[in-house]
Amino acid sequence: GEDVEQSLFLSVREGDSSVINCTYTDSSSTYLYWYKQEPGAGLQLLTYIFSNMDMKQDQRLTVLLNKKDKHLSLRIADTQTGDSAIYFCAESFRDNQGGKLIFGQGTELSVKP
Amino acid sequence: NAGVTQTPKFQVLKTGQSMTLQCAQDMNHEYMSWYRQDPGMGLRLIHYSVGAGITDQGEVPNGYNVSRSTTEDFPLRLLSAAPSQTSVYFCASRPGQVYGYTFGSGTRLTVV
Repeated sequence: GEDVEQSLFLSVREGDSSVINCTYTDSSSTYLYWYKQEPGAGLQLLTYIFSNMDMKQDQRLTVLLNKKDKHLSLRIADTQTGDSAIYFCAESFRDNQGGKLIFGQGTELSVKP
Repeated sequence: NAGVTQTPKFQVLKTGQSMTLQCAQDMNHEYMSWYRQDPGMGLRLIHYSVGAGITDQGEVPNGYNVSRSTTEDFPLRLLSAAPSQTSVYFCASRPGQVYGYTFGSGTRLTVV
């Protein structure tokens, strides 16, 4: 079955690193994504990783994928108050379910000055 | 390029009324989806489409219909609105299976 789990809240101090975690259950996932949602807005794609990769770095963002444990994480270096938002991980499927993207519940990141 | 456009932005319905949420994209994307977002539940997939004339059910399809007669448009119909359908609805599109979705700004629906 398809299930994506995230912890609901994370609070960090400005300048610290944030690590947001996600677990998924379906091993047929092809791509895994991280999205950011600011209050009252839609979702913005931050980054993605293909399921045969272990790590991807994009400026302050680092994505780590542990396929054996079906665990995905997003690390934000030097977290700023503007990073306060809800972060969603999502998994995409292959073949005839290729249109589906299943999301976790979202992690609300609060950055304190 | 307007991206993904959803209308209306806000809507209040009475129980039992029907309505259509509109979604249009001008990026020639093949894949489109409808999600609903409820507090503490993330985004749940209602219906999705992998091309004109092709639709499929997501996690929570009951009470909703979709059609995809053109690549650009993917309307979501509420057949007989219920208070449980009070939510924020997002439409999204992407060019293919390996890409992330681009989201619209959402429709906030209240059913009283």
